[in-house]
Amino acid sequence: DARVTQTPRHKVTEMGQEVTMRCQPILGHNTVFWYRQTMMQGLELLAYFRNRAPLDDSGMPKDRFSAEMPDATLATLKIQPSEPRDSAVYFCASLVGGQAEAFFGQGTRLTVV
Amino acid sequence: QKEVEQNSGPLSVPEGAIASLNCTYSDRGSQSFFWYRQYSGKSPELIMSIYSNGDKEDGRFTAQLNKASQYVSLLIRDSQPSDSATYLCAVNKNNDMRFGAGTRLTVKP
Repeated sequence: DARVTQTPRHKVTEMGQEVTMRCQPILGHNTVFWYRQTMMQGLELLAYFRNRAPLDDSGMPKDRFSAEMPDATLATLKIQPSEPRDSAVYFCASLVGGQAEAFFGQGTRLTVV
Repeated sequence: QKEVEQNSGPLSVPEGAIASLNCTYSDRGSQSFFWYRQYSGKSPELIMSIYSNGDKEDGRFTAQLNKASQYVSLLIRDSQPSDSATYLCAVNKNNDMRFGAGTRLTVKP
C-alpha cells in the first residue's frame, strides 16, 4: 500500500520549544513538498525538494524553519523556536515526477501554546 | 495577485443540482492542472487531472481547462451530500505544485 507517511499525527508543544515533523514519501517519488494549512491562509507551500535537493523554500520563515531531506526515504521540517502562530496542519506530499499529481500524507496537527 | 485563485465560497447547492467550482492561475507556463477534494480533518485527495484544453469527464465530475484564459473549472453533476467538502485547485509547473485556498461546498439534502 503505497502512501506518504507523516509523524507525529498530533503535536502539542509550548512556545519556544523545538518541533520536528517527519515524512516518508512514496518509494520512487522524486519530489517532496511541505505545505502548511490554516483556515485563514489555506494551503501554503513552504518548501520542496527534487531528488533530495532543495528547490524552493521561499515560503518558509527562514529564521525559525528548516527543511531537510537526509535521504530518499525521509524529509524533515523543523521549527525552532516554535510560536503560537505556527499552529496549523502541516502536510507532506510527494510526486513521481513529470506532470503527475501529488499524493498527500495524513498531516501533522501542530498546536503551540 | 495569488498564483492560484478560487471563488471563495462557501457554495451551497441542493441535492441533485450541478455545482460549479472555478479557478484561475497566473503563470501562463503552467502545464498540468488538478482538482483535489478535502473532507474536514482529512488530507486532500485527487479527484480529477487535466492537461489539455477542453473538457474531461469522469462519472459525475467534469473538469474544463482554458489555457488562453488561464481558467480551470470543475462541474459536479447530480450533487450528493457526500460531495460536501472543500475543493482545492492545483497547478503544476515543472513539478512546482501550487494550490488555491479552496472552495467549501455544501450539498443540502
